Amino acid sequence: GAVVSQHPSWVICKSGTSVKIECRSLDFQATTMFWYRQFPKQSLMLMATSNEGSKATYEQGVEKDKFLINHASLTLSTLTVTSAHPEDSSFYICSARAGDNEQFFGPGTRLTVL
Amino acid sequence: QKEVEQNSGPLSVPEGAIASLNCTYSDRVSQSFFWYRQYSGKSPELIMSIYSNGDKEDGRFTAQLNKASQYVSLLIRDSQPSDSATYLCAVTMYSSASKIIFGSGTRLSIRP
Repeated sequence: GAVVSQHPSWVICKSGTSVKIECRSLDFQATTMFWYRQFPKQSLMLMATSNEGSKATYEQGVEKDKFLINHASLTLSTLTVTSAHPEDSSFYICSARAGDNEQFFGPGTRLTVL
Repeated sequence: QKEVEQNSGPLSVPEGAIASLNCTYSDRVSQSFFWYRQYSGKSPELIMSIYSNGDKEDGRFTAQLNKASQYVSLLIRDSQPSDSATYLCAVTMYSSASKIIFGSGTRLSIRP
């Protein structure tokens, strides 16, 4: 099956610092990758859609200058949370899709900002 | 109207019974439909995909799609305590450039 990895699985950082999260499709080439955020007991919230070699498309209300997305290759996308604050603490999940087929999720990254 | 709607639950089902999860969607020309399972603190896991009207069976899971009624369901036979999770319905919306839209999920609890 399709495997998507994320790194790190959890991170604790100080307020004001930046955190980079990597998402990799291990056994397929992902034309599109997605970044989601999920707060406790809430549903997935799509933050942005990322296509290889082009700029990410951000959902309404998501600050593109705060959440930097780079999709440099068909197997790697990164999300950088810049100048993180405690309210950015959340579960960040990426997913990858090849063509119009199923979307597979990474295991998620739990971010805690102190 | 939400694009993908699910009853939030919790839905409580006795062990061994059939759990029935329902989902409706708003985009009449949607083409692809998925069911994901999410355990607490974990990311979603794809369990079923269905693309045409009718039933699709995979082990204890059966997905049912009715495009005329804009309705997709998931049946879990012989429910086990390990099936207790949140189930997310997801639909590819033609109107949003093939982006997959997720419902808010139904919490399923299987009681021993």
